[in-house]
Amino acid sequence: DGGITQSPKYLFRKEGQNVTLSCEQNLNHDAMYWYRQDPGQGLRLIYYSQIVNDFQKGDIAEGYSVSREKKESFPLTVTSAQKNPTAFYLCASRPGQGGSPLHFGNGTRLTVT
Amino acid sequence: AQSVTQLGSHVSVSEGALVLLRCNYSSSVPPYLFWYVQYPNQGLQLLLKYTTGATLVKGINGFEAEFKKSETSFHLTKPSAHMSDAAEYFCAVSSHSGGGADGLTFGKGTHLIIQP
Repeated sequence: DGGITQSPKYLFRKEGQNVTLSCEQNLNHDAMYWYRQDPGQGLRLIYYSQIVNDFQKGDIAEGYSVSREKKESFPLTVTSAQKNPTAFYLCASRPGQGGSPLHFGNGTRLTVT
Repeated sequence: AQSVTQLGSHVSVSEGALVLLRCNYSSSVPPYLFWYVQYPNQGLQLLLKYTTGATLVKGINGFEAEFKKSETSFHLTKPSAHMSDAAEYFCAVSSHSGGGADGLTFGKGTHLIIQP
């Protein structure tokens, strides 16, 4: 079955360390997205990519970086510059713009101490 | 610019009662509208969507929503709540004209509690 795979499910890191969250999709979707979810704040867009080798900052990109070297993969790196990195991170994809819905992975819960 | 407002961060209903989750949007162009459901520690799953055509949209698990342009609303309903409906629900809007991240904006979510 096609879908989006995020790994790992749970991730623990010490403050000051960079960490990379994996997101792979086999849906042949062009566009991919990273969201951050905190209690009571809904989903906030970190980065998105509409095509390979291109990506744009979302609303809260500071302290994060991404790459899109392959259509199937869109890894997110949480750097030590991110002041409050502990959160639930969701990766999503969609085939095109407008009316096509987002397909989501099952998320990675990152805890930084 | 577009925005989504979900009225009530928490909604509690009795099992078997009507579920009504409210969503109002603002958009300067005709919108695409979505409802998603999220169970604990999982991703979001699409419940239903409105693009064009019939304004009453039926989705999975017995949910439906009605697009009311004059009220800029897209409320989610289910005639009879089940314990398995307990989850977080998100309303989202996307514009036909795209722009930005394809113009997709989420509400802050409503936590649905089902009382036995």
